[in-house]
Amino acid sequence: GQQVMQIPQYQHVQEGEDFTTYCNSSTTLSNIQWYKQRPGGHPVFLIQLVKSGEVKKQKRLTFQFGEAKKNSSLHITATQTTDVGTYFCAGRDTGRRALTFGSGTRLQVQP
Amino acid sequence: EAQVTQNPRYLITVTGKKLTVTCSQNMNHEYMSWYRQDPGLGLRQIYYSMNVEVTDKGDVPEGYKVSRKEKRNFPLILESPSPNQTSLYFCASIPKGGVSSYEQYFGPGTRLTVT
Repeated sequence: GQQVMQIPQYQHVQEGEDFTTYCNSSTTLSNIQWYKQRPGGHPVFLIQLVKSGEVKKQKRLTFQFGEAKKNSSLHITATQTTDVGTYFCAGRDTGRRALTFGSGTRLQVQP
Repeated sequence: EAQVTQNPRYLITVTGKKLTVTCSQNMNHEYMSWYRQDPGLGLRQIYYSMNVEVTDKGDVPEGYKVSRKEKRNFPLILESPSPNQTSLYFCASIPKGGVSSYEQYFGPGTRLTVT
């Protein structure tokens, strides 16, 4: 079945440093979504990417969808303590309805 | 306020005692879904529903049942809970059945412990 791997599992950075999490699918995706979950909270939708090679930005966050639509990344520039949480990617295999989540990257930001 | 609600938020039960976790949304969303979240495994989809009376299995449906008799409610039923169903459960909804285009709104979660 479809697998979505996410690395790293955990990253600890100093405030102001950059952060990147990577998502790789075993199959071609029709789209990919990114979510953020604060400690003790529920996942909150950040963005969806649909097109091959697509790049979207939200303030300090940059999202990319690979040309082959099998990988994606989320990059945060100059992290802040408010960025703390776990970031999940979630992809839908072409032809499937169910959404498969990656295992998440937990980000800790040291002030 | 637009939201997805789940009840109960916390539940400790014993093996084999049937339970239901309710999920309700007030946004007139067509698509609803249940996930379980376990450490190191991310969120795994249990069941989803594209509309009233339309449900389908996700990746981990064993041991669970759902029903969708009305648009706003999507209860998750554990007929005979076992300890391996101890987990954090999230309900989510999306505005339309075309899941590829819309974001999911998640409920606050239900932490279930089966002893």
